[in-house]
Amino acid sequence: RKEVEQDPGPFNVPEGATVAFNCTYSNSASQSFFWYRQDCRKEPKLLMSVYSSGNEDGRFTAQLNRASQYISLLIRDSKLSDSATYLCVVQGSNTGKLIFGQGTTLQVKP
Amino acid sequence: SAVISQKPSRDICQRGTSLTIQCQVDSQVTMMFWYRQQPGQSLTLIATANQGSEATYESGFVIDKFPISRPNLTFSTLTVSNMSPEDSSIYLCSVVGRGNEKLFFGSGTQLSVL
Repeated sequence: RKEVEQDPGPFNVPEGATVAFNCTYSNSASQSFFWYRQDCRKEPKLLMSVYSSGNEDGRFTAQLNRASQYISLLIRDSKLSDSATYLCVVQGSNTGKLIFGQGTTLQVKP
Repeated sequence: SAVISQKPSRDICQRGTSLTIQCQVDSQVTMMFWYRQQPGQSLTLIATANQGSEATYESGFVIDKFPISRPNLTFSTLTVSNMSPEDSSIYLCSVVGRGNEKLFFGSGTQLSVL
């Protein structure tokens, strides 16, 4: 089992739609969680951290469920510019290393 | 966030040769890392670049193949040695921002080995 698992997609949605991605992690001792965005042939860029209480940044909402060991990313009112690959990232408690998921590809269509 | 300059941005190399990738940060950072992203795959940590001492390599990566230098807190190099087509990948330098745990990436080096 991979340490961090994501559905690779692609998710094809129309503009204005709401889309949600889930990510599961295997190490229950993981401490920190992030979502990164990666555009084609570009480096990953931090989208948002994921806190236990959940957090929201504009159209983006991240949630953490420690009991079920998954995190989620919700995108409301999708824009064409949201098309990218979204990487789920988990930081181990012992090593501090960041473990990247395979990424979920989102394609927003007009 | 830190500004990270990585070069070259891309290169096409012959089998058996070596390529050195440079990473320059605009401020002193404690933690610097080198990642690899193979086509269609996620990022895999190669090693942690330690200032003034040998890098710490992850399982599956060795110093002879991926020698790393870190002469100071703002600069590091990764060399991909004796390249084969299987080394074709994107190589990314990354740093942890000062005062937080967030990871920032350089723009990456797209390497193709013929």
